[in-house]
Amino acid sequence: EAQVTQNPRYLITVTGKKLTVTCSQNMNHEYMSWYRQDPGLGLRQIYYSMNVEVTDKGDVPEGYKVSRKEKRNFPLILESPSPNQTSLYFCASSLAAGANVLTFGAGSRLTVL
Amino acid sequence: TQLLEQSPQFLSIQEGENLTVYCNSSSVFSSLQWYRQEPGEGPVLLVTVVTGGEVKKLKRLTFQFGDARKDSSLHITAAQPGDTGLYLCAEASNTNAGKSTFGDGTTLTVKP
Repeated sequence: EAQVTQNPRYLITVTGKKLTVTCSQNMNHEYMSWYRQDPGLGLRQIYYSMNVEVTDKGDVPEGYKVSRKEKRNFPLILESPSPNQTSLYFCASSLAAGANVLTFGAGSRLTVL
Repeated sequence: TQLLEQSPQFLSIQEGENLTVYCNSSSVFSSLQWYRQEPGEGPVLLVTVVTGGEVKKLKRLTFQFGDARKDSSLHITAAQPGDTGLYLCAEASNTNAGKSTFGDGTTLTVKP
């Protein structure tokens, strides 16, 4: 089944404890992207990747890092999480950037205490 | 960054009623997508509109793209409880294909 898989789905952590949210797609998509969703703010883009080893900032990149060493994986790294990073995170992929269909993961709900 | 404004923010209606939600931009869209998101899941694409004036139908859903490509609407006829969800419009940047912008969404509740 074609899908985007995120892990963990739920995580409660404490300020400053590094964490990684993994994202993997099995569709050979070139483009991948991370978003955070907060009440009343819709989806805001954190980082995106046009292809392997090519990443760029979205609208809200502060406090996050990403890497794209393989085509299928696009992990989101929070080096020193803070409470304002408590949010619902979505990873998405598409064949290429632009008007192509985005396939989303099921989301990762992160709480930083 | 292009701004997408959706209205209304919340909509609660009875089964069988019709409704329209709107997505407006501060500048011209290159193309526009509509997604629906159900609780506990990621958004799922409903449609992509590309040409000004374009109308697309998906069963009881009708999508329109404004002639000037600065606005779009989603009309649902005879809404059903299964239509309940968050409706999001989204657009990829005109100048940077990797950047995407989503509207704040319209939360629709259809009561039986």
